[in-house]
Amino acid sequence: AQSVTQPDIHITVSEGASLELRCNYSYGATPYLFWYVQSPGQGLQLLLKYFSGDTLVQGIKGFEAEFKRSQSSFNLRKPSVHWSDAAEYFCAVDDLSGNTPLVFGKGTRLSVIA
Amino acid sequence: NAGVTQTPKFQVLKTGQSMTLQCAQDMNHEYMSWYRQDPGMGLRLIHYSVGAGITDQGEVPNGYNVSRSTTEDFPLRLLSAAPSQTSVYFCASSYSKRDSSYNEQFFGPGTRLTVL
Repeated sequence: AQSVTQPDIHITVSEGASLELRCNYSYGATPYLFWYVQSPGQGLQLLLKYFSGDTLVQGIKGFEAEFKRSQSSFNLRKPSVHWSDAAEYFCAVDDLSGNTPLVFGKGTRLSVIA
Repeated sequence: NAGVTQTPKFQVLKTGQSMTLQCAQDMNHEYMSWYRQDPGMGLRLIHYSVGAGITDQGEVPNGYNVSRSTTEDFPLRLLSAAPSQTSVYFCASSYSKRDSSYNEQFFGPGTRLTVL
C-alpha cells in the first residue's frame, strides 16, 4: 500500500529564514502530489500540487516544491518565512490507478520565532 | 457555489449516543470521502464513495456507517459513540480521477466532535 512519510514532526525557524519541509512517498508509479496547510482551528488549504511536467512547482503564499523521482520526494520550500506561516503542513499522495482518495502524511508543525 | 459544507461545526456526545455528521457539495463531484484528524496522526480515511449508491471502507471504518443516495450528500453515521471517536472530521469531494476536470480534492471546514 502506498504511504507518505513526513520525517519532521515539529520544526522551528526564525522569521526571515529559509524553510524546507520533507516529504517522501512509497509508490511504484508517479502519483499526484499535494501540499496542504492548516492554520490552528482551521480547515485545509491547498498550497500546491504536482501532476506532471516541470518538477518545480510554484504555489500560493510564496511556497514551492520540487518533485524528485529518484528520491521519491516532494519537499516544500520557502526562501523567507513569515510569522503567519506558523501552521501544520501536510503532504498528500493520490493513487491514480485506483479509486482511493488522498493518503496523507502525519504532518509537520511549523513554529516561527522572532 | 458553496463548495463543501459540513454540519454541525461542533458536537458533544455521551458514550453510546448516535448521531449523523452531514456533508454536502454543490460542484457535481462524483468522489466524496470522510477523514478524521487526530494529533500526530494526520488525516486518516474513514469511508469514501465514487458515486451515488457506491461506498467503500478506508483505513479506519470501524464504528462508522455511510450511504450515498444522491451525488450531493454523503452523511457519516456514528452508531454508538465512543470516546475514541473524539476527533475532527473532514469531508472532501472531487471529480472522478478519470475525468479530465480532476484537479484536487476540496475540503469542508470540519466538525469537531467530543465524546464524553
